[in-house]
Amino acid sequence: AQKITQTQPGMFVQEKEAVTLDCTYDTSDPSYGLFWYKQPSSGEMIFLIYQGSYDQQNATEGRYSLNFQKARKSANLVISASQLGDSAMYFCAMSGGLSYNTDKLIFGTGTRLQVFP
Amino acid sequence: DSGVTQTPKHLITATGQRVTLRCSPRSGDLSVYWYQQSLDQGLQFLIQYYNGEERAKGNILERFSAQQFPDLHSELNLSSLELGDSALYFCASSVDGTVGNEQFFGPGTRLTVL
Repeated sequence: AQKITQTQPGMFVQEKEAVTLDCTYDTSDPSYGLFWYKQPSSGEMIFLIYQGSYDQQNATEGRYSLNFQKARKSANLVISASQLGDSAMYFCAMSGGLSYNTDKLIFGTGTRLQVFP
Repeated sequence: DSGVTQTPKHLITATGQRVTLRCSPRSGDLSVYWYQQSLDQGLQFLIQYYNGEERAKGNILERFSAQQFPDLHSELNLSSLELGDSALYFCASSVDGTVGNEQFFGPGTRLTVL
């Protein structure tokens, strides 16, 4: 079965500093996708970044980058130059592989990031 | 704005009642997903539809049912409601339901069962 683990319930970072949010995953499938979503206090789910299991390069989207270490089954999110508006809950998620007829998302428990001035 | 709409935004009802949550996917998206977010269970996949057909089922209770209509909008029906059904229900959509496609989430429907 597929599983996502986020071991940091909460993280603090000072404005303009970089922060890494940890995510490890478990799957026996060779083909899968890894996602990060941001959920501000308003409740909506905002897509941040995607990494495919066969992608050779680490994904980047603006200030977000995904540190993908396939052998260690980790997909950490790095936020550079943190801003106050980055304060939110962050979820790591995985979508199914070839053995699944669906790309449903399996989510971790989330990490609450607080950025302070 | 993701382009996915959900109505209503908030719903307050009593135990034993039945409610219907509605979702309109982004224009052109064929796949619709329902997720439940609660304090004790976290974010859980409930069910997926693709072009009107059920594609996958997750931890969806028998009291819950869903469907996707020919115009691709979807409804999630929750019946015999219990206090524990109080949660934020998200609908998401993607282009064709294949691995790697981003799922766009609606703003959610917050259900409170009293």
